[in-house]
Amino acid sequence: EAGVVQSPRYKIIEKKQPVAFWCNPISGHNTLYWYRQNLGQGPELLIRYENEEAVDDSQLPKDRFSAERLKGVDSTLKIQPAELGDSAVYLCASSFRKGYEQYFGPGTRLTVT
Amino acid sequence: AQSVTQPDIHITVSEGASLELRCNYSYGATPYLFWYVQSPGQGLQLLLKYFSGDTLVQGIKGFEAEFKRSQSSFNLRKPSVHWSDAAEYFCAVIKEYGNKLVFGAGTILRVKS
Repeated sequence: EAGVVQSPRYKIIEKKQPVAFWCNPISGHNTLYWYRQNLGQGPELLIRYENEEAVDDSQLPKDRFSAERLKGVDSTLKIQPAELGDSAVYLCASSFRKGYEQYFGPGTRLTVT
Repeated sequence: AQSVTQPDIHITVSEGASLELRCNYSYGATPYLFWYVQSPGQGLQLLLKYFSGDTLVQGIKGFEAEFKRSQSSFNLRKPSVHWSDAAEYFCAVIKEYGNKLVFGAGTILRVKS
């Protein structure tokens, strides 16, 4: 079974530029999560989708971050414009339903210069 | 708000020695508890989980964890560490079924030969 796929794995951009991350969850998983992991810390949830509906986006900085999961399968997380403080690893995870075991992708390491 | 504390940022053990990684949580009721492992450049992999029942939980790769309600702890153990166990370990909790995971800051395990 294929795991959670994320791309790109690494991204270096200058501040004020836009950036987008893509995630393809495990087939059949209805719940998709985006986390941000700062250096030396555990992941923190940014947004959770149940199918195509964002049901928990309370931690998403909505002034610059946006996310979509149009067909309830893959998802895109966007930052526009990026700031230096956005440098982190962005992890995508999926689960069969909410509360079930979450499977994580390898993450995208973002560096903003 | 619920929180997870991993008091050890780094731990170094000799190959073949036993290991215990500490985790304490702050929450009135019994949450659902997890241990994840993250190798460099990789996503998080679930080692084990505790929902209810037997307080000693067996996981993958020879790991086990014991839930102690009186101490609000969920420490991870392994009787004999292998060099391949070198990684970062995260304890995480869900307050109740279906809620978001809250992670600790992680413990980096180094294994010396």
